[in-house]
Amino acid sequence: GAVVSQHPSRVICKSGTSVKIECRSLDFQATTMFWYRQFPKQSLMLMATSNEGSKATYEQGVEKDKFLINHASLTLSTLTVTSAHPEDSSFYICSANRDRDQETQYFGPGTRLLVL
Amino acid sequence: GNSVTQMEGPVTLSEEAFLTINCTYTATGYPSLFWYVQYPGEGLQLLLKATKADDKGSNKGFEATYRKETTSFHLEKGSVQVSDSAVYFCALRPFGNEKLTFGTGTRLTIIP
Repeated sequence: GAVVSQHPSRVICKSGTSVKIECRSLDFQATTMFWYRQFPKQSLMLMATSNEGSKATYEQGVEKDKFLINHASLTLSTLTVTSAHPEDSSFYICSANRDRDQETQYFGPGTRLLVL
Repeated sequence: GNSVTQMEGPVTLSEEAFLTINCTYTATGYPSLFWYVQYPGEGLQLLLKATKADDKGSNKGFEATYRKETTSFHLEKGSVQVSDSAVYFCALRPFGNEKLTFGTGTRLTIIP
């Protein structure tokens, strides 16, 4: 149980295009999902907290117009990297809190984005 | 602010060796502490956790004790296996807050 999936697992795009990454909780409802970015050999950095039915809360320094987050349902959150540039290349990871267990976050396998 | 410092890797050990991965933290109040593991090609999985001082989290032969006096949560295992090869992340969650703060991760490789 408590499985979180991400799609796609890997994406390559041209500079200037937009890329959408999906995060789904497969067997539980998640009112809160989190989006992280991980640079090589570095820690996971929280980008934003996604709340179902309301606007996402972004961490300091994260451009909300650049990284659009939509939490349309209790099982789906999407991250759209708009007008992507090579510096946006990174590993993006989502996680979700199961409603009845706020203590534990369940993580997706991550999406590798490469912007050429 | 909150921060987590864990020993840099990579760490390479022989099978059946004793493992310690150090983790120290800085936080106000009494955070919950976690160890997550990331196996190749998979997402992070919770390995163990402790929510108050002197608690010991344990799972799959791994242990970590919440030491408030030294602000540490070191991960230990008495006899590692090849299947333990993964990246290990120490993390904290402040009391009353959902957000996790992670260390940089330690890559562990176990050789037969």
